[in-house]
Amino acid sequence: EAGVTQFPSHSVIEKGQTVTLRCDPISGHDNLYWYRRVMGKEIKFLLHFVKESKQDESGMPNNRFLAERTGGTYSTLKVQPAELEDSGVYFCASSPTGGGTDTQYFGPGTRLTVL
Amino acid sequence: GNSVTQMEGPVTLSEEAFLTINCTYTATGYPSLFWYVQYPGEGLQLLLKATKADDKGSNKGFEATYRKETTSFHLEKGSVQVSDSAVYFCALSEWYGGSQGNLIFGKGTKLSVKP
Repeated sequence: EAGVTQFPSHSVIEKGQTVTLRCDPISGHDNLYWYRRVMGKEIKFLLHFVKESKQDESGMPNNRFLAERTGGTYSTLKVQPAELEDSGVYFCASSPTGGGTDTQYFGPGTRLTVL
Repeated sequence: GNSVTQMEGPVTLSEEAFLTINCTYTATGYPSLFWYVQYPGEGLQLLLKATKADDKGSNKGFEATYRKETTSFHLEKGSVQVSDSAVYFCALSEWYGGSQGNLIFGKGTKLSVKP
């Protein structure tokens, strides 16, 4: 079974540009989460999809961040325009629904550097 | 709100030394508790978990016991190896209305094991 995949693994952009990160969850997982870790800080929750619906987006820092999950499969996270403080590692995780399981499976992350 | 506090690193040990990484939490309900590990160049992996008080999670020689009375979930290993060098994250999550909430992480503890 393939794990959670993320693309790209690294992205270097200039301030003001746009970047789109992609996450492919484990097949059949309805729950998809985005997190990020900025330098030296905790890993922070951004948002949670259940299928194609946003269950919780309380962690999104501002309206420069837009997440989508059309069709309830893969998800994209767009940052537009990017600012210096957006640099960090963006993680995606997925988990199945039902059965009481609460394990989230993480992807390898996308390292974003904004210059 | 919910939070996780873990000991700051870095921690440097010699091979076969005993390891303890302290983790305490604050939660309004009855969270599940986790230890995730990130090996160099890789994504987050679940190391172990416990879902209720007095449960002990274990994996790869690591153990942690869910202590409700002290709100703690300390990670221990009796004899570390060089291959255990990684960053370790303590985390919690709660269930809300049948849906698993997001993970709340500690800041991470970097462990280096010297031969």
